[in-house]
Amino acid sequence: KAGVTQTPRYLIKTRGQQVTLSCSPISGHRSVSWYQQTPGQGLQFLFEYFSETQRNKGNFPGRFSGRQFSNSRSEMNVSTLELGDSALYLCASSFGQGMRARGTEAFFGQGTRLTVV
Amino acid sequence: DQQVKQNSPSLSVQEGRISILNCDYTNSMFDYFLWYKKYPAEGPTFLISISSIKDKNEDGRFTVFLNKSAKHLSLHIVPSQPGDSAVYFCAALSGSARQLTFGSGTQLTVLP
Repeated sequence: KAGVTQTPRYLIKTRGQQVTLSCSPISGHRSVSWYQQTPGQGLQFLFEYFSETQRNKGNFPGRFSGRQFSNSRSEMNVSTLELGDSALYLCASSFGQGMRARGTEAFFGQGTRLTVV
Repeated sequence: DQQVKQNSPSLSVQEGRISILNCDYTNSMFDYFLWYKKYPAEGPTFLISISSIKDKNEDGRFTVFLNKSAKHLSLHIVPSQPGDSAVYFCAALSGSARQLTFGSGTQLTVLP
């Protein structure tokens, strides 16, 4: 069974540009969440999509947005990039049933390492 | 305001000994806790979890203890193996939300 796939793995962008990251969840998973990992802030929740609808959003500015397609694949977009957006962006997928039973927990992809210069 | 705290950034343990990783939380609405392990250049992988209605959960070499009154949980690894060397994240869930709140992680190094 294929895991969560994130593309690209590495990305270098210039301040002011925008970027789109992609996430393909595990087959059958309908919930996709995005997290930002930085050395100073650890792993922080960005947003969660379930059945193409954003269900939950973290405390990030509106420059961070996302969407989910009918096949559960998700994209995350960051506009007007800032140096502080340099981070590892992780996508996690789950069945979307509360993540409390064995096998329903969130499975993470390898992440996209974004560097803003 | 960190709702989940891992106060030890790093821990070194000899192979075969016990590793104890600690986690504290402040939000009393958290009702489910998870531990994830992360190797460099990989995403976090689920290790073990515990519901707030329990105080202990075991899975092989891994045991998680929950002290609700102290808002504290710990992960015990016995015996520790060099392959356990990784960053360990404590995470929490509340209610029906599927938003994981993570601690800052503890780098465990198991020395051969």
